[in-house]
Amino acid sequence: SAVISQKPSRDICQRGTSLTIQCQVDSQVTMMFWYRQQPGQSLTLIATANQGSEATYESGFVIDKFPISRPNLTFSTLTVSNMSPEDSSIYLCSVVTNLLNTEAFFGQGTRLTVV
Amino acid sequence: SQQGEEDPQALSIQEGENATMNCSYKTSINNLQWYRQNSGRGLVHLILIRSNEREKHSGRLRVTLDTSKKSSSLLITASRAADTASYFCARVSYNTDKLIFGTGTRLQVFP
Repeated sequence: SAVISQKPSRDICQRGTSLTIQCQVDSQVTMMFWYRQQPGQSLTLIATANQGSEATYESGFVIDKFPISRPNLTFSTLTVSNMSPEDSSIYLCSVVTNLLNTEAFFGQGTRLTVV
Repeated sequence: SQQGEEDPQALSIQEGENATMNCSYKTSINNLQWYRQNSGRGLVHLILIRSNEREKHSGRLRVTLDTSKKSSSLLITASRAADTASYFCARVSYNTDKLIFGTGTRLQVFP
């Protein structure tokens, strides 16, 4: 199993500003992902955070809006840039050691409100 | 869209009744997983079923998988008020390294 610490747990931000969310894992993991969950909706994959290289983004998400860092196997950050009210969501970090055989573990999420 | 479909979107039942949630997808999968989410926060893994498996059990949970129909179902037997949550299926498709979630079912169990 993996224990994930995600910070901040919630924030209220002004439009046009940026917020960086941190994800710290208690063990080295192969795969880290960032998801967005809009109010009342399911989880949508934003990107795969690759250690030592650029993240792999899903359709509809771009690096300029959601820059991601992953300097090592236990830590990643997601920045939500130039925020608008439409960015108000829960952002979740997830880690997996082996997607073919084991489950994913999730942080408690960051509840972002943009005003 | 990333997401597969789940139905029903919402389900309300009395304690003691069974709850069945269905999940459909479009691509070939390596495995399919079910998760539970309370109060819109972190997710808890329930069951993983591989593409060569047809049924798995865990306590009061039973998951079936029909790869010919590209569908799965989650059955919760003898439900309890504490089962009230959102339930999501999530798939790992062949030749991908990512977990894609379905639309989810909100389950309400009344005492």
